[in-house]
Amino acid sequence: AQKITQTQPGMFVQEKEAVTLDCTYDTSDQSYGLFWYKQPSSGEMIFLIYQGSYDEQNATEGRYSLNFQKARKSANLVISASQLGDSAMYFCAFGSNDYKLSFGAGTTVTVRA
Amino acid sequence: KAGVTQTPRYLIKTRGQQVTLSCSPISGHRSVSWYQQTPGQGLQFLFEYFSETQRNKGNFPGRFSGRQFSNSRSEMNVSTLELGDSALYLCASSLPTSFTYNEQFFGPGTRLTVL
Repeated sequence: AQKITQTQPGMFVQEKEAVTLDCTYDTSDQSYGLFWYKQPSSGEMIFLIYQGSYDEQNATEGRYSLNFQKARKSANLVISASQLGDSAMYFCAFGSNDYKLSFGAGTTVTVRA
Repeated sequence: KAGVTQTPRYLIKTRGQQVTLSCSPISGHRSVSWYQQTPGQGLQFLFEYFSETQRNKGNFPGRFSGRQFSNSRSEMNVSTLELGDSALYLCASSLPTSFTYNEQFFGPGTRLTVL
């Protein structure tokens, strides 16, 4: 079974600064995908970014980028130029050929003005 | 394009009752997954359906069941509710190609409270 680890329960970041959220995973699969989701207090899970195991370039989506280090089995999310609306819980998730996502425990991000 | 919809959004039940939650995926999406989110256990996978077939099931008791209809809409049922079933139940849908290469789009969730 895959294990996803997010070691930072909570983080504070100043508005307009960048923040890095850590995610490591443990798998023996060769083909897999890594996902990051944002969950505001409303509860809905918002898809942010995806990285495939065979993708050679790090994924980017606007202010979000994924620092993928396959050999280290890490997939850290970088949020640049933080905004107050970025305050939320962030989840790293792993998907493989078993038709499910395995989630980490999440990191709460609080953006300070 | 409309997103994933879940009904009802909030539900209050008592122990021993049963409940049915509904999920309508994004148009064209044929894979539907269900997850349970609790403060203690986090996000846990319940089951996944594709073309009316359950392809995977999480480690939950038999009181939790689901099904998918020919129009890809899905329902999950929890019988004999327990206090520990209080949770946010999230449904996600994705396109029918390779699972690992498709984003899972989540609905707003159904918040179930068992008294």
